[in-house]
Amino acid sequence: EVQLVESGGGLVEPGGSLRLSCAASGFTFSTYSMNWVRQAPGKGLEWVSSISSSSSYIYYADSVRGRFTISRDNAKNSLYLRLSSLRAEDTAVYYCARVLTMGNSGSLAYWGQGALVTVSS
Amino acid sequence: DIQMTQSPSSLSASGGDRVTITCQASQDISNYLNWYQQKPGKAPKLLIYDASNLETGVPSRFSGSGSGTDFTFTISSLQPEDIATYYCQQYDNLPYTFGQGTKLEIK
Repeated sequence: EVQLVESGGGLVEPGGSLRLSCAASGFTFSTYSMNWVRQAPGKGLEWVSSISSSSSYIYYADSVRGRFTISRDNAKNSLYLRLSSLRAEDTAVYYCARVLTMGNSGSLAYWGQGALVTVSS
Repeated sequence: DIQMTQSPSSLSASGGDRVTITCQASQDISNYLNWYQQKPGKAPKLLIYDASNLETGVPSRFSGSGSGTDFTFTISSLQPEDIATYYCQQYDNLPYTFGQGTKLEIK
């Protein structure tokens, strides 16, 4: 069974940093692209970042480029998102998500339970 | 960025009703369109991928159609457990973008 478990969320002051982790199990992690998607309280879904299976291709939403860094450790079956220079508008539940198949990079078939990041002083 | 416009933003229907949600892309996205269901406090769930393909394990009352810029999501006979918010999402171009969501309620 595919499982994705996020951790590392919490309360952080504006301008601060945080690292989210996503532990993957139940599939061959090293062969799938992974994504982060966020959802502000009471709002819709916003794609944040993608990383290819070997980390060769990395993409960001304009709203986070230069402040967030996606990475992965295939040996540890883990995905990460480093959040820096945080703003109040970054407050959201952050989900890690796996693509449907190796050939379909944009259909997000498996999701974690989410990690809440609150940016407030 | 490709804009995804979903309608309606909310919908009230009775059990057994046929429910339809539309999604319009700001440019041609071929069939690179997914539909998700999200229940309160839960992660989204992929229902339909590539515009019309039913994800494994999803009930057959859910269906999708369309290509290019205009897409439709249908529940053929609404069940109480279908109460949720539904989102379309394009993946033709990065950044992947979602519709604003359709909140479905039972009358």
